[in-house]
Amino acid sequence: QVQLQESGPQLVNPSGTLSLTCGVSGASISSNNDWWSWVRQPPGKGLEWIGEINRGESPNYIPSLKSRVTISVDKSKNSFSLRLTSVTAADTAVYYCVRNSLFYLEDWGQGTLVTVSS
Amino acid sequence: IVLTQSPGTLSLSPGERATLSCRASQSVTSSYLAWYQQKPGQAPRLLIYATSSRATGIPDRFSGSGSGTDFTLTIARLEPEDFAVYYCQQYHDSPPHYTFGQGTKLEIK
Repeated sequence: QVQLQESGPQLVNPSGTLSLTCGVSGASISSNNDWWSWVRQPPGKGLEWIGEINRGESPNYIPSLKSRVTISVDKSKNSFSLRLTSVTAADTAVYYCVRNSLFYLEDWGQGTLVTVSS
Repeated sequence: IVLTQSPGTLSLSPGERATLSCRASQSVTSSYLAWYQQKPGQAPRLLIYATSSRATGIPDRFSGSGSGTDFTLTIARLEPEDFAVYYCQQYHDSPPHYTFGQGTKLEIK
């Protein structure tokens, strides 16, 4: 059974950088078959996919965030990370890490609320 | 491609049948359409993938159907634990990315 756990600061200053890590157990982050995504959900709103990464491929990002987002893999820690720069209050959301399966999002972390505020 | 879910809120009683709609602005490949359930304070859970395939552990009262631009999630007989928000999701292959509908809230009448 695949389990994912988000970690990182829950409060980020405006114009700062949001950094989260997702620890993976029950699967290898180095698998050629698996893609790993980040999805966010502003309070009281819907879901927004941010981007994905695979060990052997270039990451894919949603166009609206592409200039500010980086997703990377740490094979030594079996984890992957999200970095979002120049954040504003609009980036306040619950951030989920997810294991993709073909064309859908199969295994989800519990999510972590990140608030952008001074 | 934009996904529009209807209704925004659906009020039904346990034991009733629920029909949730997801309409796409352009034709969608059936393999690329999925449904999720989200309860308050929880992560979304995959229910249906490839339009009509149930995910592991999903009861058979949940079913998905549709093609082209119109897709439906049906819950045959509502159980108390089914009251939640439901999202449809589409995969786009060029460039690769995922989009969601705005959600349908299924509430107890």
